[in-house]
Amino acid sequence: EIVLTQSPGTLSLSPGERATLSCRANQSVSSSYLAWYQQKPGQAPRLLIYGASSRATGIPDRFSGSGSGTDFTLTISRLEPEDFAVYYCQQYDTSPRGLTFGGGTRVEIK
Amino acid sequence: QGHLVQSGAEVKKPGASVKVSCKASGYTFTAYYMHWVRQAPGQGLEWMGWINPNVGGTNTEQKFQGRFTMTRDTSISTAYMELTSLRSDDTAVYFCANFNWNYGAFDIWGQGTLVTVSS
Repeated sequence: EIVLTQSPGTLSLSPGERATLSCRANQSVSSSYLAWYQQKPGQAPRLLIYGASSRATGIPDRFSGSGSGTDFTLTISRLEPEDFAVYYCQQYDTSPRGLTFGGGTRVEIK
Repeated sequence: QGHLVQSGAEVKKPGASVKVSCKASGYTFTAYYMHWVRQAPGQGLEWMGWINPNVGGTNTEQKFQGRFTMTRDTSISTAYMELTSLRSDDTAVYFCANFNWNYGAFDIWGQGTLVTVSS
């Protein structure tokens, strides 16, 4: 089973600052099936990034994804007030067609 | 734009079963796998399994095998999940989510259904 480890657990930053979130896998992940989500309290997750680096429809360009193999990164170039939330990475494994999420990174206002 | 609407909150006693529905609209229900994901209070996202609405085939995370069942009714574009032998640690919000193969990710989520297991 592929395990995704996200770090840090919590990121305390101010609006306007840059946020760098890490997602590390215990074995190689297909970039085609690495995604990032944002979740706010009481809401369902929202797709931000798919295919490791492609922004989903309507996602601002301050969000970017990068990485390959076992190391992936979500970067928020300049934090807006609405960006303070929890972020999850997710991978889909075509064999045995299972799926896992990372434990999440909370981005909080400093 | 697709939309998923789930059934309402449930309160169950330990040992009971719960069935949650997820009605799809705005896209071809049988074209995309439907997954179920749960989130315990204050915790992260936990994948449970998927169903192929076209043929009904399923794949269940090992942890839930034996007490988790997914079904669908294509005539009303609705997917269902049933969890049996409920325990207090099954208390969670249960989400259905549409897996879009073009993205390799979930692009549509239901609003979530809170299932509370308490004696």
